[in-house]
Amino acid sequence: ILNVEQSPQSLHVQEGDSTNFTCSFPSSNFYALHWYRWETAKSPEALFVMTLNGDEKKKGRISATLNTKEGYSYLYIKGSQPEDSATYLCAPGAGSYQLTFGKGTKLSVIP
Amino acid sequence: DTGVSQNPRHKITKRGQNVTFRCDPISEHNRLYWYRQTLGQGPEFLTYFQNEAQLEKSRLLSDRFSAERPKGSFSTLEIQRTEQGDSAMYLCATLAGWGDTDTQYFGPGTRLTVL
Repeated sequence: ILNVEQSPQSLHVQEGDSTNFTCSFPSSNFYALHWYRWETAKSPEALFVMTLNGDEKKKGRISATLNTKEGYSYLYIKGSQPEDSATYLCAPGAGSYQLTFGKGTKLSVIP
Repeated sequence: DTGVSQNPRHKITKRGQNVTFRCDPISEHNRLYWYRQTLGQGPEFLTYFQNEAQLEKSRLLSDRFSAERPKGSFSTLEIQRTEQGDSAMYLCATLAGWGDTDTQYFGPGTRLTVL
């Protein structure tokens, strides 16, 4: 069973601030790291799938980096907007065809 | 909208009753997963299907839980003799690929409350 840690558990930022979260996971038997955004009353939305050490992905104002050797990934949001308010989940896949999720980081962007 | 639908969206039931949830996947997605999220936790894997075959079940899936995917299309998750500890969000996800690098597309979930 993978132990996936996400920090912080929650944070509040002002509109326009940039922020980042961390996802830590065991680096052995690593296949891919998935990031999801989950807004209340909606489906979790896939943001990124990352596989290579040093990988960097970007989608609009959101970007992510991956370090497979030390077992962590950072998610960055530049110039946070109220619509970014959501829970951000990370989930490493380890060859078992199922995702093991962290508890998530709940972001609240204050207008 | 990811294209994965779940019904009902909310279910309130009394302890001891049976409940059934349904997941309709994206057309032609061969793999279908069920996850459960309890308060303060991330989603936890319950079981998955490749077409109509149930290939893996978590130890979280007690004997009171059963899942089916007849004809490899929609899937149902049934909980018999519900307990208060079954209260959770039940999520369904599907994907078309074969590996860990493929994206799982999630439905909006069914929130179960057991009184």
